[in-house]
Amino acid sequence: QVTLMESGPVLVKPTETLTLTCTVSGFSLSNVRMGVSWIRQPPGKALEWLGNIYSNDGEFYNPSLKSRLIISEDTSKSQVVLTMTNMDPVDTATYYCTRIDRWFGDFDYWGPGTLVTVSS
Amino acid sequence: EIVLTQSPGTLSLSPGERATLSCRASQSVTSAHLAWYQQIPGQAPRLLIYNASSRATGIADRFSGSGSGTDFTLTISRLEPEDFAGYYCQHYGSSPTFGQGTRLEIK
Repeated sequence: QVTLMESGPVLVKPTETLTLTCTVSGFSLSNVRMGVSWIRQPPGKALEWLGNIYSNDGEFYNPSLKSRLIISEDTSKSQVVLTMTNMDPVDTATYYCTRIDRWFGDFDYWGPGTLVTVSS
Repeated sequence: EIVLTQSPGTLSLSPGERATLSCRASQSVTSAHLAWYQQIPGQAPRLLIYNASSRATGIADRFSGSGSGTDFTLTISRLEPEDFAGYYCQHYGSSPTFGQGTRLEIK
């Protein structure tokens, strides 16, 4: 059974750095077909892809956010970490980690999401 | 970057009716890389359709996807009460993108 679970702070201050962890089970981060993605959704708004990581192919980022993002993985812990710098109130959103099937490019399993609020 | 435009923004129907949701891409896309998701308020999205027309595991057969090129459709043949939710299309390219969503509400 594939599961993903996000963890991290629920509140960050403007200009701070956000670090979220995604812990996966039921599949290996070393799987060449599968990767892990981060997607966010501001309250009442649409979904926005942030980036992917594939163990054999590196990281890919949304061009509009690339300068602020780092995605890394620790295969021994089955964890993927999202780091986003210089947080702003407009970054307030629910952040999801998902599994991505690179053959079809779909996000087939999702974590429940974690709401991050940016406020002083 | 490919832009996906969904229509209508809100669709009001009754249980038992047929729903047709549209997703139009700003340029021709590979059908294999077009997916649809359902999102119930307060929950994470759920994959319904991948490869434009393949149902994901456990998805009821009243859901179907079709289309090619720039025009794609999600059809729900007979609406059940649990189908009233938000729906998003998504394309996988160098930079995956989502449509802005269609809200399916009870009439």
